[in-house]
Amino acid sequence: QVPLQESGPGLVKPSQTLSLTCTVSGGSISSGGYFWSWIRQPAGKGLEWIGRIYTSGSTTYNPSLKSRVTMSVDMSKSQFSLKLSSVTAADTAVYYCAREGWLSYYFDYWGQGTLVTVSS
Amino acid sequence: QSVLTQPPSVSAAPGQKVTISCSGSSSNIGNNYVSWYQQLPGTAPKLLIYDNNKRPSGILDRFSGSKSGTSATLGITGLQTADEADYYCGTWDTRLSTVVFGGGTNLTVL
Repeated sequence: QVPLQESGPGLVKPSQTLSLTCTVSGGSISSGGYFWSWIRQPAGKGLEWIGRIYTSGSTTYNPSLKSRVTMSVDMSKSQFSLKLSSVTAADTAVYYCAREGWLSYYFDYWGQGTLVTVSS
Repeated sequence: QSVLTQPPSVSAAPGQKVTISCSGSSSNIGNNYVSWYQQLPGTAPKLLIYDNNKRPSGILDRFSGSKSGTSATLGITGLQTADEADYYCGTWDTRLSTVVFGGGTNLTVL
């Protein structure tokens, strides 16, 4: 088991920056061989991959969000983070962090998800 | 509009078998591994199948995956009411340079 837990504000104002952190229990983030990803799901809709980060700090972002996304990793805290700037109501969704298999594009461990609402 | 196409819903009786299709193209399913997820209401997705047809530890052999050309299929045998959920396929799209998912299929066990 690789427990993951998202944390961050549940309410963000339009035009501001959404910031979330995912804590990976047990120090698994440092073991290597996996990517660490963010995925979101608007209410009643499907899954959208936001991007991934490796422990080296190397990132890959969804081109549709790339201009607004920044991911980082803090190995000392076994955490990785997401920042999404200039948010609008369309960014309202449940945000999941997940572990992604190396070059196989599957997500084997997920956080429980956190709802982020963009509203004034 | 999802890059991968799934039927919005499928249904079958308890104990029966159901298949869920996922159609794509050469830039995604045709040249990359496919994974499948089960999402029960109000919960995070759960990995059922990876690398087209492999089951993670703990996933029963009632669940199976296959791929042919630019399409993939999830099969579920011995249906139970507990299998009622949304099912998603996913893969990498080489042309779009992103992970893509199907729109999801809602399974009803009548």
